[in-house]
Formats: sequence, C-alpha cells, structure tokens
Amino acid sequence: AQTVTQSQPEMSVQEAETVTLSCTYDTSESDYYLFWYKQPPSRQMILVIRQEAYKQQNATENRFSVNFQKAAKSFSLKISDSQLGDAAMYFCAYRSASGSRLTFGEGTQLTVNP
Amino acid sequence: DAGVIQSPRHEVTEMGQEVTLRCKPISGHDYLFWYRQTMMRGLELLIYFNNNVPIDDSGMPEDRFSAKMPNASFSTLKIQPSEPRDSAVYFCASCWGGWRTEAFFGQGTRLTVV
Repeated sequence: AQTVTQSQPEMSVQEAETVTLSCTYDTSESDYYLFWYKQPPSRQMILVIRQEAYKQQNATENRFSVNFQKAAKSFSLKISDSQLGDAAMYFCAYRSASGSRLTFGEGTQLTVNP
Repeated sequence: DAGVIQSPRHEVTEMGQEVTLRCKPISGHDYLFWYRQTMMRGLELLIYFNNNVPIDDSGMPEDRFSAKMPNASFSTLKIQPSEPRDSAVYFCASCWGGWRTEAFFGQGTRLTVV
C-alpha cells in the first residue's frame, strides 16, 4: 500500500518570503501522480499543483513549484513571494496511474506572518 | 459547472439518529469518492464509485455506514445509528478517470453527533 508522509505539522513564513513544504511517499509503482492540495479555513480542498511521475521536469504554477525527486520519493512544494492568502493547511497526495483513489499525507499548517 | 455540491454544510444530530449526507458530482465525472477528515486520522477514503458502481468500500468503518449512487449525478452517505465518534467533516470528490487526474472536492459537511 502506498503511504504519504508530511513531517512538518506546522510551518511559518514571513510575507513575501519563500517557504518549502516537505513530502515523502512510499510506493512500488513506477507510474503515478502527485498533488498538493490547499485547505483554507473555508474548508474547501483546492488543487495547487500536480506532477506526473513520468515527467522529469518539475511542475510550476505561478508562485508555486515542486521539487520532484523520484528516486528519493520526495515531492516538496515551494511557495515564493508568500502572501497572506497562502495561509492554509497543505496536503500532499498520491494517486496511482492504475487507479483513482488519492492517498493523503497528514498535512502541514502554514502560517504567513505580515 | 458549479463544482461538486454537498448538502448539508453543517449537521448536528443526536446519538442514535440516522444521518444522510448528499453529494452531486461534477457532470461528466465517472469517479466519486467519499472522504472523512478528523484531527486524529486526517483524510481517510471511505468508499469510491466508478460509473455508479462501488469499487472499494474497505474504508467504511462499520456496518452503520452505507453509501449509494443511484445515478451519475447523485450519491448519499448514510450513518445509522450515528455515534459521537462519527463527528467529522465528510467530503465528496469527483474526477474523470481519463487524462484529467485531479479530483475536485465539495465544501464538505461538518457532522456533529451529540
């Protein structure tokens, strides 16, 4: 079974600074997808960014980028120029290419200080 | 499309009562998931459907929980009888099993059993 681990229960960053959230996963599969979801206080789960395992290039979405290290089974999220609206719980998630279920990490609570 | 729609947003019920949570997935999506989120256990997959057929219900905690998907645009999660430990946020999510791999989440139902 796949597992996803987020070792940082809480992180904080100053507004306009950069922060990196860590995620590791365990799988025996070679083809899969990885995601970062954001959950603000509104409770809505919002997709931030996704990475296909077969792609070597790291995904980027505006201020959000990932560092995908397939051999190390690591998938970190970098938020540049942090904004107050980035404050939320962030979840890393894994999905097998042969299935549709998502396996989530424990989450990292990000605080952005003005 | 209005996204995944869940109702009610909040539910408070007494122990022993029947609770029914409802979900309308995004039109065209062929997968539907029910997740439960608690502080202790994080996000857990309870059950998921493909083309209205339950595929994996191994996450359903007990026989008190049941889920149905009578058609492509509606699903229910029922708890009967409810217990205080069922208090959690229940999310419904849907996705298309093709090249679009991201799951879209509803806003969740916060259930409180007193």
